[in-house]
Amino acid sequence: QVQLKESGPGLVQPSQTLSLTCTVSGFSLTSNSVHWVRQPPGKGLEWVGAIWSGGSTDYNSALKSRLSISRDTSKSQVFLKMNSLQTEDTAIYFCTGITLGWFAYWGQGTLVTVSS
Amino acid sequence: DIRMTQSPASLSASLGETVNIECLASEDIYSDLAWYQQKPGKSPQLLIYNANSLQNGVPSRFSGSGSGTQYSLKINSLQSEDVATYFCQQYNNYPLTFGSGTKLEIK
Repeated sequence: QVQLKESGPGLVQPSQTLSLTCTVSGFSLTSNSVHWVRQPPGKGLEWVGAIWSGGSTDYNSALKSRLSISRDTSKSQVFLKMNSLQTEDTAIYFCTGITLGWFAYWGQGTLVTVSS
Repeated sequence: DIRMTQSPASLSASLGETVNIECLASEDIYSDLAWYQQKPGKSPQLLIYNANSLQNGVPSRFSGSGSGTQYSLKINSLQSEDVATYFCQQYNNYPLTFGSGTKLEIK
């Protein structure tokens, strides 16, 4: 059974750095890709970025300068770091798993609020 | 970036009715399209992939169709548990992009 679970701080101050962890089980990081998708409260879904099975990454061009995704395969964890946070970064952040192109697996999501 | 235009933004229908949700891509996405259902407070769940393939465990009253730039999701015999927001998503090209969502309510 595939499970993904996000963890991280619920509140981040403006201009600070967000660090999130996605812990996966039943899903190989070296055979599949893990993506981050975010959703501002009451709004739509936005692809944030991905780490591929080989370890390379892709980022949303609008976020690329502030974003870093990495992983620790020994711990089955994927990490998201985003700096210079602003209020518009307030959103639910989901980690998702792709095997064949579509988002087959989703975590429960974690709400990140950017506020002083 | 491929833009996904989804309509309608909201929809109200009676139990047992059939509803259709449309998604228009800004360029040909060659059926690389998925549909997701998101219930309030929950993460999206995959319904359809490759435009018309039903994900395991999804009721057969859900179906997808389309090609090129035009796609649709059909829900037959609407049930109360279908109240949700539905999103389309293309995976033909990066960045992956979503439609803006259709909120489905029961009349």
